[in-house]
Amino acid sequence: EAQVTQNPRYLITVTGKKLTVTCSQNMNHEYMSWYRQDPGLGLRQIYYSMNVEVTDKGDVPEGYKVSRKEKRNFPLILESPSPNQTSLYFCASSLLDRGLPETQYFGPGTRLLVL
Amino acid sequence: QQQVKQSPQSLIVQKGGISIINCAYENTAFDYFPWYQQFPGKGPALLIAIRPDVSEKKEGRFTISFNKSAKQFSLHIMDSQPGDSATYFCAASRGSNFGNEKLTFGTGTRLTIIP
Repeated sequence: EAQVTQNPRYLITVTGKKLTVTCSQNMNHEYMSWYRQDPGLGLRQIYYSMNVEVTDKGDVPEGYKVSRKEKRNFPLILESPSPNQTSLYFCASSLLDRGLPETQYFGPGTRLLVL
Repeated sequence: QQQVKQSPQSLIVQKGGISIINCAYENTAFDYFPWYQQFPGKGPALLIAIRPDVSEKKEGRFTISFNKSAKQFSLHIMDSQPGDSATYFCAASRGSNFGNEKLTFGTGTRLTIIP
C-alpha cells in the first residue's frame, strides 16, 4: 500500500530536549516536505526536499532541521524544542511531473506538545 | 504576511446546494493552485488543482475557477453532500524545473453540509 508514515503520532516533551520525528514514504517520490498546522494559520511549510541531499527552507524553518540521506526518509529534528513549537506536524511526498507535483500524499500527522 | 487569503473561515451549506470557497493571492509568480481536503484526524489530501493556462477545471462535482487578472481562484462544490463536510485549504506555488519551491496554504475553510 502506497503511504507516508510518521512516527511518533503523539509526543509530549519538555523544553530543550532534542527530538526527532521520522517520515518515510514507499512510493519512490523525489519531493518531500514538512508542514505544521496551527488553528487559524492553516498549514505552513517548514522545509522541503527535491531529492537526496537537496533541502531548502519553507516559510517557517526557525528551530527546525531536516536531512535527506535516503530517498524514502525525511526526518524532522527539533534540537531544542520550545512551547511555541507545540503543533500538529505533517510530512508529505510527491513525484515531480513536468516540474510540478501533481499529487502530494500526506502522512497521518504527529501531534507534539512541548511543556 | 499572508500570501494566500482564504474566505470564508467557516461555511454551512444545505445538502444539495453549492459550496463556494474563495482564495486570493499576491505573488504573480505563482503558477500552480491546488485545493486540499482534510477530514478530522487525517492529513490533507489533494482534491483538485489548476494551472493558469486555463480558467476552469472540473472533476466530478468539484470545479476550480481561476481569474488570473484578479489574482483569485475559487472552489465550487456542486450538489454538496454531508460527506463533503471537511476543512478545505487552497494553496499556491511557484513552479520551476525542479518542482514547487514553496507551497503556501490559505488558512482553511471549515465546511459543514446540513441535511
